[in-house]
Amino acid sequence: TQLLEQSPQFLSIQEGENLTVYCNSSSVFSSLQWYRQEPGEGPVLLVTVVTGGEVKKLKRLTFQFGDARKDSSLHITAAQPGDTGLYLCAGPLFMDSNYQLIWGAGTKLIIKP
Amino acid sequence: DTGVSQNPRHKITKRGQNVTFRCDPISEHNRLYWYRQTLGQGPEFLTYFQNEAQLEKSRLLSDRFSAERPKGSFSTLEIQRTEQGDSAMYLCASSITEGYTFGSGTRLTVV
Repeated sequence: TQLLEQSPQFLSIQEGENLTVYCNSSSVFSSLQWYRQEPGEGPVLLVTVVTGGEVKKLKRLTFQFGDARKDSSLHITAAQPGDTGLYLCAGPLFMDSNYQLIWGAGTKLIIKP
Repeated sequence: DTGVSQNPRHKITKRGQNVTFRCDPISEHNRLYWYRQTLGQGPEFLTYFQNEAQLEKSRLLSDRFSAERPKGSFSTLEIQRTEQGDSAMYLCASSITEGYTFGSGTRLTVV
């Protein structure tokens, strides 16, 4: 069982449409990070959300951290082909006497021109 | 500083051979992480260094895997007696606080 569940696993939409992807957990996180990964490359950090209810905007991307700090969403407005990639969420969790960065399995996003 | 650098980018090896990968982190980052990623999955933690000290090692990491970070700068990850199940992307990341900077990874294919 994934500690961070991302949905949908796969999304293919037309350029110009809006979309939202989700990152959910039953655990409380002190923060959550969102990364985008392109094929053959490492993940690139997009944003870190820290405060429950926090909303952060990065151009056409809007990130929200749930009030209870158990979930987060990423909304993309007017998607463009350059937004194509694997979107990963990750967050620190205290497990086995250490903080570990827990990763979701990602949402694979394809934006068709 | 050009970010986190990993070499080689691709490695094809025969089963049973040893392979070594190198990671050069961002110079001021004292934390260095190795991850493994297979297709359709998020990164899987392998090991973590703070400066030259290896502070954590995943229980999933068999004794065929070893990592070093001499002098707290670059790091190497060695896999001995490779198996086909070792085929994956091996990612290195460095950080100071939260938020990692990843390298482009080393794609390992064991044939």
